[in-house]
This record gives sequence, C-alpha cells and structure tokens, in this order.
Amino acid sequence: QVQLVQSGAEVKKPGASVKVSCKASGYTFTGYYMHWVRQAPGQGLEWMGRINPNSGGTNYAQKFQGRVTMTRDTSISTAYMELSRLRSDDTAVYYCARDSSGYGYWGQGTLVTVSS
Amino acid sequence: QSVLTQPPSVSGAPGQRVTISCTGSSSNIGAGYDVHWYQQLPGTAPKLLIYGNSNRPSGVPDRFSGSKSGTSASLAITGLQAEDEADYYCQSYDSSLSGRRAVFGGGTKLTVL
Repeated sequence: QVQLVQSGAEVKKPGASVKVSCKASGYTFTGYYMHWVRQAPGQGLEWMGRINPNSGGTNYAQKFQGRVTMTRDTSISTAYMELSRLRSDDTAVYYCARDSSGYGYWGQGTLVTVSS
Repeated sequence: QSVLTQPPSVSGAPGQRVTISCTGSSSNIGAGYDVHWYQQLPGTAPKLLIYGNSNRPSGVPDRFSGSKSGTSASLAITGLQAEDEADYYCQSYDSSLSGRRAVFGGGTKLTVL
C-alpha cells in the first residue's frame, strides 16, 4: 500500500531554515510528482511547489521563490522540502502529497513552529 | 485571498442535501483544468473525495458527487450524516508565467445541524 511518512515536528527560531522529509513506499517513487502543501493554524491549504522525482525538476509557487528548495534522493525514495529565512507566519503543518489526478496520498504532516 | 472562491460555511440537517460551490476564472477552471475536492477532518490530512471533476475514488460513498461548468465547480452531498461534518476544499490548476501551479479554494466548513 502507498505510504508517505514525514519527519517529526520542528521548532525553529526566526531566520533559521527547516528541512522536512517525506519517505515514500508502496509504489515507484520516480513515477509520480511529489507536491508540498502547507496549512497555517486555522487556515486553508496552500500549495508550495512540486518536484519531479525522476528528473529532479522543480516548480515553486511565486510566494516561496528564493526561500524554498525541493530535492529528492531516489536511492531511498525520499523527497525533501527546505524552507529558509523562516518567519513567524511560516508556522504551519507541512504536507507532502503524491500527484495523480488529484492528491490521492498525503503524508501525515509535519508541524513546523517558528518562535523566538 | 484564495484563487478559487468557496463559501466559508454551509450547514444542513441530517438527511438533507447540501452543495458547496467553487468559483474560479478563465486561467484555472475555465481553462479546462480538472477540479478535485478534499475532505479534512480536524487534526488529519486532507482526503481526496472527488477527482477529475466528478469521479469518486474507491471507498468514497456515492452520496458525494462533483460537477463542473464553465469557470465553476460544485460538490454535492446528499443524505447528510453527522460524520460529514468537516472542512471541504476544492483544488485545480492555474496557468502562470512560471508554469502550471496548483491552486486551492479557501475551504468550506460543513456543519451538520
């Protein structure tokens, strides 16, 4: 069965960076784009970008350009999302989601708290 | 400000039918991109409810249905049940200078009275 398992919660100070991992299993990792979506407390879903695990090619939402980097390690079927220069309004749950005519599979979410 | 517009809340009594609208524009829904719908229960990841405008993944009850017309889409829920109380999000794609991007509606909270 398809599973996306994310890394654990993080607490960071403003200005720091965070790197969240998403380990995929149960399917061919390089066969599907992986997207990252975040949700601030009490707010809606926000698309951050996507990575093609086969080529490593990325597309980022304009809002995060210059601050986000999505990478992957095909040897361990894991995608990564790194967000730099963190601010308090980056406090959110970050999800990875597999794209196949809609996001049919999601990670469990990783809470990133940015606080001084 | 979300690219796709949904009503913040809807409500209905058990057994009733409710609809949730999702309004976009000519650069997203109106451009022919598919619309997907998600259900999110408190504290959990979203769950795909409808894909490709009107298709239900395996395991989703046929009480849930989706449609799309022009620059809008709708999610209908018939025979409301208490367990349907959740947040619902529509999602599509939008053409931009940097390529295709996914866009979401702001979400609709469904209350079962």
